[in-house]
Amino acid sequence: DQQVKQNSPSLSVQEGRISILNCDYTNSMFDYFLWYKKYPAEGPTFLISISSIKDKNEDGRFTVFLNKSAKHLSLHIVPSQPGDSAVYFCAASGLQGAQKLVFGQGTRLTINP
Amino acid sequence: NAGVTQTPKFRVLKTGQSMTLLCAQDMNHEYMYWYRQDPGMGLRLIHYSVGEGTTAKGEVPDGYNVSRLKKQNFLLGLESAAPSQTSVYFCATKGTEVFQPQHFGDGTRLSIL
Repeated sequence: DQQVKQNSPSLSVQEGRISILNCDYTNSMFDYFLWYKKYPAEGPTFLISISSIKDKNEDGRFTVFLNKSAKHLSLHIVPSQPGDSAVYFCAASGLQGAQKLVFGQGTRLTINP
Repeated sequence: NAGVTQTPKFRVLKTGQSMTLLCAQDMNHEYMYWYRQDPGMGLRLIHYSVGEGTTAKGEVPDGYNVSRLKKQNFLLGLESAAPSQTSVYFCATKGTEVFQPQHFGDGTRLSIL
């Protein structure tokens, strides 16, 4: 049972436009949501997070939106740049104990010049 | 400041051989985790530790053992390697503050022939 799902394996966006990556989850116990970015042959790098008491968190060009009733979150990148080309993982955890992360399958974002 | 360091970076084993993957951190984090990443499946938790001398099973622990004898090191062992354990292995660490992300190493690519 996939508790965190990223239904788009890949996404192609023109440089300067908005990139929107989506993530759905099923476990209502998740209260902390994170996005990681991964380049080939490197480890995932933390990008931005949001707790369940918020519906939006912004950091520069990156904004994460959370719709708790729909169990859906999205990552917006505006404007998209060639260096944003990477695989993006959505992850979720509760707030207790070791806060084990459950990851989505990832979305490969390609920014075209 | 190295952060999270994984050794080795690459390894090829024959079926039935054993080996140990080392994760070392200089961030003084209490929590440490081992994940595996397979194509199309995101990252899955193998084992984790909430402090020196403690370990616990994650989502996919079978065929692996771990030890955390020192706070800064988390070892992942394969006693008898199988082709199904061919994967990229990532170590992560996290402090005890709730709204804090996990930090990842650059991974170990392991092939079992």
